[in-house]
Amino acid sequence: DADVTQTPRNRITKTGKRIMLECSQTKGHDRMYWYRQDPGLGLRLIYYSFDVKDINKGEISDGYSVSRQAQAKFSLSLESAIPNQTALYFCATSDFGPTDTQYFGPGTRLTVL
Amino acid sequence: RKEVEQDPGPFNVPEGATVAFNCTYSNSASQSFFWYRQDCRKEPKLLMSVYSSGNEDGRFTAQLNRASQYISLLIRDSKLSDSATYLCVDRSASKIIFGSGTRLSIRP
Repeated sequence: DADVTQTPRNRITKTGKRIMLECSQTKGHDRMYWYRQDPGLGLRLIYYSFDVKDINKGEISDGYSVSRQAQAKFSLSLESAIPNQTALYFCATSDFGPTDTQYFGPGTRLTVL
Repeated sequence: RKEVEQDPGPFNVPEGATVAFNCTYSNSASQSFFWYRQDCRKEPKLLMSVYSSGNEDGRFTAQLNRASQYISLLIRDSKLSDSATYLCVDRSASKIIFGSGTRLSIRP
């Protein structure tokens, strides 16, 4: 079984709809992250959380919100989706070690029409 | 200027060749760097860390040049399975910045 799972894997929605992307992990890590990936722009950090009571904005948090429901769960919401939020979204976890290695989920491909 | 910049490629090289690519970073105070590998339509995975003294792992060598603010990745005796996109990462205490990646294609 995968250590980091994301649901849904693919989603097509319309402008203005509310969307939630979910992430679960079995690695026991405290740190969790949400990224989006766009062609030519690489991975950009949206939000991150270092424990259940900690939420921090990343580079591009506008238009997004998150919820850390438990150590193992971190969800990303788009309150009112817009077409330029069409992207590949990755959840990741990391350990608090010298490399702070990021372990990524398989990604969610979101299309906003 | 982007905080982390990479040549997008693609680098198209024959199997068995040696290939190298660089990644430049803008923050002179950055301390920790990494290379991740991302296969097509898959998630990124850590390839190796980049230490000040250099780091070698089998056919892969990563180096850091602080004076010129770049990191490099060298792949020797390239295999078909090395075809992927390679992302460099600048990890500081308050930020994690991914480059947009360099695409490598190994041909038979």
